[in-house]
Amino acid sequence: KAGVTQTPRYLIKTRGQQVTLSCSPISGHRSVSWYQQTPGQGLQFLFEYFSETQRNKGNFPGRFSGRQFSNSRSEMNVSTLELGDSALYLCASSTNRGETQYFGPGTRLLVL
Amino acid sequence: EDQVTQSPEALRLQEGESSSLNCSYTVSGLRGLFWYRQDPGKGPEFLFTLYSAGEEKEKERLKATLTKKESFLHITAPKPEDSATYLCAVLTQGGSEKLVFGKGTKLTVNP
Repeated sequence: KAGVTQTPRYLIKTRGQQVTLSCSPISGHRSVSWYQQTPGQGLQFLFEYFSETQRNKGNFPGRFSGRQFSNSRSEMNVSTLELGDSALYLCASSTNRGETQYFGPGTRLLVL
Repeated sequence: EDQVTQSPEALRLQEGESSSLNCSYTVSGLRGLFWYRQDPGKGPEFLFTLYSAGEEKEKERLKATLTKKESFLHITAPKPEDSATYLCAVLTQGGSEKLVFGKGTKLTVNP
């Protein structure tokens, strides 16, 4: 089975721009979660989607949003980028709540 | 507030020198505890899931154990390829489906 894929792998943006990241889960997985990883804060939960519905949201500003499509693929969007948004954004998929989450390779975002 | 603390932050071992990594947690209710390995520039790779105190899981040179307040990842006779950051995460009860991660232990195994 193919693993979780994320595109693009690397991205450079400037402050004030917006960005969209994409995640394709493992086939058959319906839950997709997004995390932000930085050296100082570690991995922090952004949000989780299941069957096109956001089930949970972490403590991030409204500039961070996401959605899930009927084929379980997910996108996250960050608007009005700030320097502090530079991070590795990770997507993870699982079959459902409580099940093991499998991570993709991440998208490295650099905001200049 | 749910909290996960890993120690030590960094660990340097000689090849063959066994040791343990610690993950202590303070959560409202534990649904599961997960260990991941992360190599530089890559996403976390799943290692183990533990669900109840007393449970143990093994895979090659790694063995994970769980008590009511902490988990240990034992590494027996490590090799240089075991060098990575090891992350512990807990899944809490209460309907909020999110993993709360520790900051990780960076393991370096010298030949």
